Amino acid sequence: DTGVSQDPRHKITKRGQNVTFRCDPISEHNRLYWYRQTLGQGPEFLTYFQNEAQLEKSRLLSDRFSAERPKGSFSTLEIQRTEQGDSAMYLCASSPPSGAPYNEQFFGPGTRLTVL
Amino acid sequence: AQSVSQHNHHVILSEAASLELGCNYSYGGTVNLFWYVQYPGQHLQLLLKYFSGDPLVKGIKGFEAEFIKSKFSFNLRKPSVQWSDTAEYFCAVKGGGYNKLIFGAGTRLAVHP
Repeated sequence: DTGVSQDPRHKITKRGQNVTFRCDPISEHNRLYWYRQTLGQGPEFLTYFQNEAQLEKSRLLSDRFSAERPKGSFSTLEIQRTEQGDSAMYLCASSPPSGAPYNEQFFGPGTRLTVL
Repeated sequence: AQSVSQHNHHVILSEAASLELGCNYSYGGTVNLFWYVQYPGQHLQLLLKYFSGDPLVKGIKGFEAEFIKSKFSFNLRKPSVQWSDTAEYFCAVKGGGYNKLIFGAGTRLAVHP
């Protein structure tokens, strides 16, 4: 499968614990995005990387959230001191380099986080 | 700030009925517009997109959408739905020089045989 992959698919944690999610984009895609989706809502943008540079960040991304893409390939999203309000589906997407015709973002299956 | 409104949260149709899902966005500049679909248990996938040119765009599975700039709308249509179209549909906009997508809240479509 050459699509976007995310790991783990499900994570249950207790309030106050730290969690880390991983995203592997489509191999030739240099752009990577994180979104969060809660029940009954569309995905909300969290952050965007072009290669290893984090170029856009939402105000939703509090100081408990940090994302990295150290070598411009896979990315991690860490949430420190989780709260029940962090329970959501965390989606990763990737897209090809600028200039590619009709850029679209390809989404992964998501990581469902439940904070107890 | 950019936003997207999807007017119908739940739509129930019988097979062969026609479908139109509304989408309005708020942004005055150049936009790229998308419709994504999420089938039960699957991840988001692109149905169709508008970047420029002909405002009537055709996507996969017989779907089409019309960009009406004066109305800030990008409604999704299908002349005859099938049971397999049961899914959640999301409208999204990209603009303002940003790379992020702004999504609407989604419309859950149920098609009854």
